Amino acid sequence: QKEVEQNSGPLSVPEGAIASLNCTYSDRGSQSFFWYRQYSGKSPELIMFIYSNGDKEDGRFTAQLNKASQYVSLLIRDSQPSDSATYLCAAPSGNTPLVFGKGTRLSVIA
Amino acid sequence: DGGITQSPKYLFRKEGQNVTLSCEQNLNHDAMYWYRQDPGQGLRLIYYSQIVNDFQKGDIAEGYSVSREKKESFPLTVTSAQKNPTAFYLCASMAGGGTQPQHFGDGTRLSIL
Repeated sequence: QKEVEQNSGPLSVPEGAIASLNCTYSDRGSQSFFWYRQYSGKSPELIMFIYSNGDKEDGRFTAQLNKASQYVSLLIRDSQPSDSATYLCAAPSGNTPLVFGKGTRLSVIA
Repeated sequence: DGGITQSPKYLFRKEGQNVTLSCEQNLNHDAMYWYRQDPGQGLRLIYYSQIVNDFQKGDIAEGYSVSREKKESFPLTVTSAQKNPTAFYLCASMAGGGTQPQHFGDGTRLSIL
């Protein structure tokens, strides 16, 4: 069974710090990776996607992909209390639907 | 505005009752999905459909049924055989191709009366 693994947290960071969220995946054939943010009681919202090795930046968010190590991460710079949420990593696996990790809960302390 | 609409937002089920959750999308997406999420847990796939008139079971299909008669619509029925239906139900859709993200509706929260 293809898997996407995340540390469940909670990960606590002070306001203004960099939050680093990590994800590993088992399917070497996965070509695209997605990060979703889910606030408590709400549905997941796509915040970043990355297809190529290296870094991709969008505002305060940076996604990093290392296909050789089967590792994808999300960095949040200048973390704000409003970033407190659960972050889900997802990757496709063959013709099956996206495989989601269980999510990492981030808490940004003011 | 394009999007995915789930209704109702809240639903209550009596013992022995079947209930149907609605999911409609106007994104012209081929694929649609149903997930269940329990408090503090990840997403679990119930059913998915990649084309009209076809659907596949996910990891936890027992006690659920779906239909896909139109591209825009993918309703989920929670049958009386599902003994623990209290959860947050999420519908998602995706354009064709394996590199596209899924987009989610706002969810339906189902509780037992």
